[in-house]
Amino acid sequence: DTEVTQTPKHLVMGMTNKKSLKCEQHMGHRAMYWYKQKAKKPPELMFVYSYEKLSINESVPSRFSPECPNSSLLNLHLHALQPEDSALYLCASSQTSGVGAGELFFGEGSRLTVL
Amino acid sequence: DQQVKQNSPSLSVQEGRISILNCDYTNSMFDYFLWYKKYPAEGPTFLISISSIKDKNEDGRFTVFLNKSAKHLSLHIVPSQPGDSAVYFCAAKSRTGGTSYGKLTFGQGTILTVHP
Repeated sequence: DTEVTQTPKHLVMGMTNKKSLKCEQHMGHRAMYWYKQKAKKPPELMFVYSYEKLSINESVPSRFSPECPNSSLLNLHLHALQPEDSALYLCASSQTSGVGAGELFFGEGSRLTVL
Repeated sequence: DQQVKQNSPSLSVQEGRISILNCDYTNSMFDYFLWYKKYPAEGPTFLISISSIKDKNEDGRFTVFLNKSAKHLSLHIVPSQPGDSAVYFCAAKSRTGGTSYGKLTFGQGTILTVHP
């Protein structure tokens, strides 16, 4: 199984809503990531989890709250978002060492629209 | 500050010919480089990588060349096929610094179109 599964694929929410994006992988990877991609722009790193602990937060606003309940799951909790947060949110996973450490496996993304 | 640059937004190639996608970087700490391919409505898919200790890495139809002195890398696809039509992202990272293994810096992407 070399898949990273993200749900939902599409999400529309108001600025006062609370929603969550979910990500799951069963490749035994102990590093998981959230990237954000705006239209016609490259993916930008938001968070890195290593062995279920947050290791990198790229100065992301607190209205985005990541959670890693176990080694296979990664969530991104959303609250009080702004319209400019509308983007494709990509989850990825990788090994933490060896040759494959830099090779990220990405999910298909969750396309978020904030009204 | 764009540390990884792909200066060609798009490239159009005839089927069977060579596709050459270029990428430049500015951060001398980068020591590992990757190419990802992305189809519409899908996440990026890893294609090929190269470590800074090498100047060439080949995998089937795909070859990546690295010129460290010029801080330049390129991806060659030979022969190009219509199914190769996608957005290609160059990405770079530094392998020092503990848990930075997933911290990829991406270029803007190049849209490759291979015509039958």
